[in-house]
Amino acid sequence: AQKVTQAQTEISVVEKEDVTLDCVYETRDTTYYLFWYKQPPSGELVFLIRRNSFDEQNEISGRYSWNFQKSTSSFNFTITASQVVDSAVYFCALSEADNYGQNFVFGPGTRLSVLP
Amino acid sequence: GAGVSQSPSNKVTEKGKDVELRCDPISGHTALYWYRQSLGQGLEFLIYFQGNSAPDKSGLPSDRFSAERTGGSVSTLTIQRTQQEDSAVYLCASSLGTVSYEQYFGPGTRLTVT
Repeated sequence: AQKVTQAQTEISVVEKEDVTLDCVYETRDTTYYLFWYKQPPSGELVFLIRRNSFDEQNEISGRYSWNFQKSTSSFNFTITASQVVDSAVYFCALSEADNYGQNFVFGPGTRLSVLP
Repeated sequence: GAGVSQSPSNKVTEKGKDVELRCDPISGHTALYWYRQSLGQGLEFLIYFQGNSAPDKSGLPSDRFSAERTGGSVSTLTIQRTQQEDSAVYLCASSLGTVSYEQYFGPGTRLTVT
């Protein structure tokens, strides 16, 4: 069965620090997709990124970067020079191509607090 | 364009009453998902639709919960004989398809059962 682990329940950093949110997944499929979502205090989940299992290139978008490593089944998310507006709960998710049932599994989330 | 909308935004109901929660997905999105999120918790998958069909209903917590989707668009989640443990935020999401497509979430319906 597919599974997503986000071992860090809560992280607090001071503004301008870099922070990495860990995501480890389990799957038997060779074709799968990984996602990150942000849930700010306002409550609405916002899609950040999607990665497929055949593309291990790291991605950078502004202050955000993602490190996908199949060898360690990890898809970590780094925020560089964090800002107060980055405070939110971040969810990692996994979707498998061969799972007929619940094909989208979310991790438990990591609550990030960026202090001024 | 319009995003996913949900109504009502808040619902307070008495224990034992039935409630209906509505989700309007993004136009053209064939897949629709329902989740439940208790305070400070993660996302609990309830059910998803591909078109009007629900391939997997195993996430529904009990037979008091049911959902339908008509015309490949609007979906309704019904909770019968509500219990206090049903209090949570119910989130709806839609996507262009399943598996490889990202989901777009609505603002949620906060249900409080008194």
